[in-house]
Order: sequence, then structure tokens, then C-alpha cells
Amino acid sequence: DAGVIQSPRHEVTEMGQEVTLRCKPISGHDYLFWYRQTMMRGLELLIYFNNNVPIDDSGMPEDRFSAKMPNASFSTLKIQPSEPRDSAVYFCASSRQGKEGTDTQYFGPGTRLTVL
Amino acid sequence: KQEVTQIPAALSVPEGENLVLNCSFTDSAIYNLQWFRQDPGKGLTSLLLIQSSQREQTSGRLNASLDKSSGRSTLYIAASQPGDSATYLCAVLFSGAGSYQLTFGKGTKLSVIP
Repeated sequence: DAGVIQSPRHEVTEMGQEVTLRCKPISGHDYLFWYRQTMMRGLELLIYFNNNVPIDDSGMPEDRFSAKMPNASFSTLKIQPSEPRDSAVYFCASSRQGKEGTDTQYFGPGTRLTVL
Repeated sequence: KQEVTQIPAALSVPEGENLVLNCSFTDSAIYNLQWFRQDPGKGLTSLLLIQSSQREQTSGRLNASLDKSSGRSTLYIAASQPGDSATYLCAVLFSGAGSYQLTFGKGTKLSVIP
């Protein structure tokens, strides 16, 4: 398997623009997670899906952030409008259902977002 | 609030030395605990996952232990090599929150000096 695939790897945009990040999870995985990593706050969960259904979006910072998973092999994270404070590395991860909780999470390479 | 703490934030050791990385967490009600490695500018690579019912897991030169009652886990690296230089992250899947949300520590940045 190719692992979790994210695109783009780097995105530079201007404040106010719409940004769309994309993720393809590992085939057969039931769960998909979106994380954000910054120096100040470390890794934070934004939202996760189970079988394409959003389960917990309590980490989504504002209404400017939205995420969708239209099918088992694709998810998007959209920021509209973007702001400089959204600059971070955004990771997508996927996993199977574990015996207890979720199994090992496999991370994509991340998208480095810079909002000018 | 459920928290995961990793101390020290950075560690430098000479090549060949055995070392221990520490992780502590605030709630013993957990599903599992994972150790990850992150290289600069890269994503996270899962190293070991320990289920709540387990005491330790081993993979090659790595050994992770779990003591739920004291809220601690350690990652032991034997015979360290320069290639082990990276940031090591501990993440806990707490079971009490009703959500499968991994809570991460801030990591320990390891440098192995040749």
C-alpha cells in the first residue's frame, strides 16, 4: 500500500483566500483523522471520521474550517477565508478499528500551509 | 483535562549509549498508548503501540513499557545510533472521553552524537 497520501505538500496563499487540503487514507481503514501541528501547541486533533461520518469535530478552531469525507478513499479539509494564524503543518492519518479503541494510526507526510 | 507530558524536551547522547525517554499521562483510563518518531519536515512514523492490558512491547532495539496505575510509559532505545536522531512523540488514547482522540505530548528531541 502507498500509505496515507496528502496533497499538496506545500501551500502558500494570501490572507482571505480559500485553501483546500486533500487526503487519501489507506485502503480498508475505518477511521480518518485531521491534525494540525504548530511549534506552540504541538499536535492537535481537528476532526475525525468513522466510516465516512464525522464523529468528533470539537477540535475545529472556527467556522472557517470545514471537513468532508464523501467516500472511503477521499477527504478534504477546507479553510475559508484563511488567516496568517492558520499557518501550520496539517496531517491526515488513518487507522482500523482496534480491539479496544482504534488501532495504530498511520500518518501522511503533511501539508505545510503558509498564509501571508 | 487529560494531558500527556514528555520530559526532557531535548536529549543529547553519544553513539552507542542506551537511553530512556519518558512519558506521563494524567488519567489511567486509556485504550492504548503509542510512540511515534518524527524526522524534521516529515510526518509521524508509528514505532510501537501498547494496549491497556499490556505491560510492554518490543521492536528491534526499541522497548516500550506501560504502567497505567502510575500514568507512565518509557521508550528504551538500546545501542543508540546517529540515525535514531529525531523527535519522539508519545500519544495516549484515553477511554473516558467517549471519543477516539489521541492526545499527544510535545515530544523529546533526541540527538545521537557520532
